[in-house]
Amino acid sequence: EIVLTQSPVTLSSSPGERATLSCRASQSVSSYLAWYQQKPGQAPRLLIYDASNRATGISARFIGSGSGTDFTLTISSLEPEDFAVYYCQQRNNWPFTFGPGTKVDI
Amino acid sequence: QVQLQESGPGLVKPSQTLSLTCTVSGGSINSGGYYWSWIRQHPGKGLEWIGYIYYSGNTYYNPSLKSRVTISVDTSKNHFSLRLTSVTAADTAVYYCAREPDYWGQGTLVTVSS
Repeated sequence: EIVLTQSPVTLSSSPGERATLSCRASQSVSSYLAWYQQKPGQAPRLLIYDASNRATGISARFIGSGSGTDFTLTISSLEPEDFAVYYCQQRNNWPFTFGPGTKVDI
Repeated sequence: QVQLQESGPGLVKPSQTLSLTCTVSGGSINSGGYYWSWIRQHPGKGLEWIGYIYYSGNTYYNPSLKSRVTISVDTSKNHFSLRLTSVTAADTAVYYCAREPDYWGQGTLVTVSS
């Protein structure tokens, strides 16, 4: 099973700032990595798939990059609605696995 | 717009079987090319992928749950189902169904308690 590690655990930021979230895989997942945003009481929402492709309707301020074992989600300028928990998921090997999450708070 | 809705008991007794159904609207499970999955989230914790079923009936389960999990599909009703046997308190979680990776149900809380 591929283990994903996310850092930092918590990112304290302010609206307008740039946020950089990291996801590292225990072995290569090629470009088969997704990023999700989850707010309290809601299901995860897909932001990025295949490492760098924005899902339908997702703002251009969400930028995914990376391949192999190291991936980054950058939020170029935080909006108030972006404060949430972010998970990465590898979709290269079964079972698909999720990282433990990064909480972005104010 | 594809929508998914989980349904089933919110309370299950220990050692019994948890059964949930995911009803799909706005799209057909038969359309192919998608994995119809179950994912769970323990209270205040991260996400755990349970398994998937393909429209053809092919399945794959997380090895950590494989001995207790069955996912089935009823294409005539456009829904798929999860069965988890011999549940314990550790199975208390919000259960999500999804057409991975982009469409998820709202989730349903299942509590295992006597």
